[in-house]
Amino acid sequence: ETGVTQTPRHLVMGMTNKKSLKCEQHLGHNAMYWYKQSAKKPLELMFVYSLEERVENNSVPSRFSPECPNSSHLFLHLHTLQPEDSALYLCASSQGERDSKETQYFGPGTRLLVL
Amino acid sequence: ILNVEQSPQSLHVQEGDSTNFTCSFPSSNFYALHWYRWETAKSPEALFVMTLNGDEKKKGRISATLNTKEGYSYLYIKGSQPEDSATYLCAFRDYGQNFVFGPGTRLSVLP
Repeated sequence: ETGVTQTPRHLVMGMTNKKSLKCEQHLGHNAMYWYKQSAKKPLELMFVYSLEERVENNSVPSRFSPECPNSSHLFLHLHTLQPEDSALYLCASSQGERDSKETQYFGPGTRLLVL
Repeated sequence: ILNVEQSPQSLHVQEGDSTNFTCSFPSSNFYALHWYRWETAKSPEALFVMTLNGDEKKKGRISATLNTKEGYSYLYIKGSQPEDSATYLCAFRDYGQNFVFGPGTRLSVLP
């Protein structure tokens, strides 16, 4: 497989559930990102990892917990979410460090619905 | 909070028409401007990364220009085809490592 993959592609969860989103990149990149797109809003950057260290956390609620065990994998752990967290969650990766001008390559996203 | 705007919000053109749309961003502390194309049910795809004032980039029928002093970038599509139908996103990065996407321009090319 090539590029950036995300699983699952669709997820329905209750507010008391715990679930995880998975992202895997097969491009040999060093930086990975989580984005959120809510209905009728621009893409919002949530977390950035560079060389497996978190370098940015854009005031995201603690019910979202990222994990980057190695440079190819990125997880987003979800617990006690709210209905307003329903959105499309996109993962991306880039070759260089966080402050480079590198292009980001996106996965297909996970469509999350919180009931 | 940095404000990145795109206009128009949506656009319908006939096949063969040329079109253009705008991304507006803060003119201070500029680092880079990215353009992406996002087709429905697919991943956003990078088109250009632009860094210097006066930059012009071209990829097939699509080209872009950059004016960092006044804070805008234009994306042009020459001879639009139905496969160009997508949402076109710009993203602004500054030296403070802020990276902000615009809301996108949704283009529909009618055959």
